Amino acid sequence: DARVTQTPRDKVTEMGQEVTMRCQPILGHNTVFWYRQTMMQGLELLAYFRNRAPLDDSGMPKDRFSAEMPDATLATLKIQPSEPRDSAVYFCASGSLAGSSYNEQFFGPGTRLTVL
Amino acid sequence: TQLLEQSPQFLSIQEGENLTVYCNSSSVFSSLQWYRQEPGEGPVLLVTVVTGGEVKKLKRLTFQFGDARKDSSLHITAAQTGDTGLYLCAGIPTYNTDKLIFGTGTRLQVFP
Repeated sequence: DARVTQTPRDKVTEMGQEVTMRCQPILGHNTVFWYRQTMMQGLELLAYFRNRAPLDDSGMPKDRFSAEMPDATLATLKIQPSEPRDSAVYFCASGSLAGSSYNEQFFGPGTRLTVL
Repeated sequence: TQLLEQSPQFLSIQEGENLTVYCNSSSVFSSLQWYRQEPGEGPVLLVTVVTGGEVKKLKRLTFQFGDARKDSSLHITAAQTGDTGLYLCAGIPTYNTDKLIFGTGTRLQVFP
């Protein structure tokens, strides 16, 4: 059954280290989203792509975060250097109806990041 | 910035009870969705409501979109332990239907 996959599921790292999170969207979905979820801020959109092109990354700290889609089956979110305040669960979601009132997004299981 | 406030923030009830969760904003949305999220998983879409005043039912769950398309409610009848989870409303803003603006969340615990 089709689902969004994310790796790793858990990542513990030290401040200053580079972190790369990967996402495989559902085959055929043309829009991929990256979200961050924390207790304080809830679920926030970081960036999204359509047909592999970045459309909006205004939710992302530009100096340390970067998001790419090297191909249609892989999206990456990189943090360099990581900081303790980046600790959160990062979700990838994909969809094919973005841009309509039925913007259904399918979420992956998330990557739980802890920066010490 | 469009914000969606949910209430209550936490809800702890016994099996068989009814409950209502509210999702409010001062802004108009193109449509509104409700998601449920279980521990260790991503949110899963329950329903999309599009028309002001629309009511949708999904078994014991009833969803309503406000007439002015600024608010919504989720009512659960005869809650079950399987309803436990984090309920999130998400609005699709009129200025950009690519995006979802998520609410603050309601954490529901149903005890046997």
